[in-house]
Formats: sequence, C-alpha cells, structure tokens
Amino acid sequence: AQSVTQLGSHVSVSEGALVLLRCNYSSSVPPYLFWYVQYPNQGLQLLLKYTSAATLVKGINGFEAEFKKSETSFHLTKPSAHMSDAAEYFCAVRMGGNEKLTFGTGTRLTIIP
Amino acid sequence: DAGITQSPRHKVTETGTPVTLRCHQTENHRYMYWYRQDPGHGLRLIHYSYGVKDTDKGEVSDGYSVSRSKTEDFLLTLESATSSQTSVYFCAIGRDGNTEAFFGQGTRLTVV
Repeated sequence: AQSVTQLGSHVSVSEGALVLLRCNYSSSVPPYLFWYVQYPNQGLQLLLKYTSAATLVKGINGFEAEFKKSETSFHLTKPSAHMSDAAEYFCAVRMGGNEKLTFGTGTRLTIIP
Repeated sequence: DAGITQSPRHKVTETGTPVTLRCHQTENHRYMYWYRQDPGHGLRLIHYSYGVKDTDKGEVSDGYSVSRSKTEDFLLTLESATSSQTSVYFCAIGRDGNTEAFFGQGTRLTVV
C-alpha cells in the first residue's frame, strides 16, 4: 500500500524566511513523488516531481525537494518566501506500476509580511 | 494549462436527486481520475479510468458511478445525492500510470 503524511496542516513563515513543508511517504516499492500547489478557488498545479533520476529536484517558483530514502521523506523547501507563495500544498505518491495517485491532507502556507 | 474542462463549475442540488459531472480532455491522455476534496482530508480518489470502458474504484467510491465511452470524456454520477457528497470534485488526467496527473478547475457541488 502507498500513503503519504504531511506534518503540519498550517505553516506560517515571514516574508523572506525559509519555507519548509514536510512530507513522509510509505511505499513497498520505489515511489514516484510529487508536490502540487493549489491557489484559492483553483485546481492543483504541479510544482515538481521525483521519478528516480536525481534525488534533489528543482521545481517552479524557486521550490525544490530532496528525496531521502533512508528517512522516507520528500520535504519541500524554498530559501526565501514571497507573499505570492501563500497557498495550499499537497504531497502525493505513486508506487511504480500503480495507476493511483495518493495525496496527503495538505499544508496551508501563510506568509507574514 | 492542460486541456481539461469540467462542467458544471458550480451546482446546487437536492438530496435524493441524481447528478452527473462531466470531464472533457483534449490531450488524448489514457488515464482519467475523479477526486473529491474536503477540508482535513486532502484529495481522495473516487474512481479512475485507464481506457475507454475500463474503470476501477478508488478509496471513496460508494454512492458514485462513472462511465467513459470516449477517450476524451469521463462522467461521474451521483446516483442519489446525499449531503455527505457536498464537496469540490476534481477531474485529473495522466498520460500513463507512472507520471504526474494534470487537474481541472474543479466543480463545487452542494447537496441541500
């Protein structure tokens, strides 16, 4: 079975500070991992994806994530938060060969001016 | 944006009535998915399709049925709507079973 856990349903950071959103996964086979962002009243947009190539993955809007097999983690980071980063972020996992994409419960990011 | 259109975008319906939501894609992707989004639950898979007339259940399929008679269209039907089905419904598409999914803009359904 595959699952993903996002620690912290709400995270607040000051503008210019480091953004760290946590994601841990469970998968019986090497996983594919994804981060999506959702702005209010919109659909989900892919930020970045890990598909077993490089463990450090760079995405759009200055975000990146590192796949750590030993920690079963895929945390999302951005060095300097911007007001436009305020949104809800979802981590998702797909086991290789499994057609289903399983999502975490989401983390709402608030940026403090 | 990926070529995904959901209709309607908003709907209010009464308990006990049937409701059909439509997802239309122009990308010719093989996979199509229906998710529901609820506070505290993230996105949960209702049903998905891996080809014309090929569908399977997700984790919250009770009370829902789907059909896919053409590659481009995936319909979600609530056979007899209940208040617990008030939610935002998202359609997603995927080229294959190993890559990312692309999402539509969502349908906000309210059952009164």
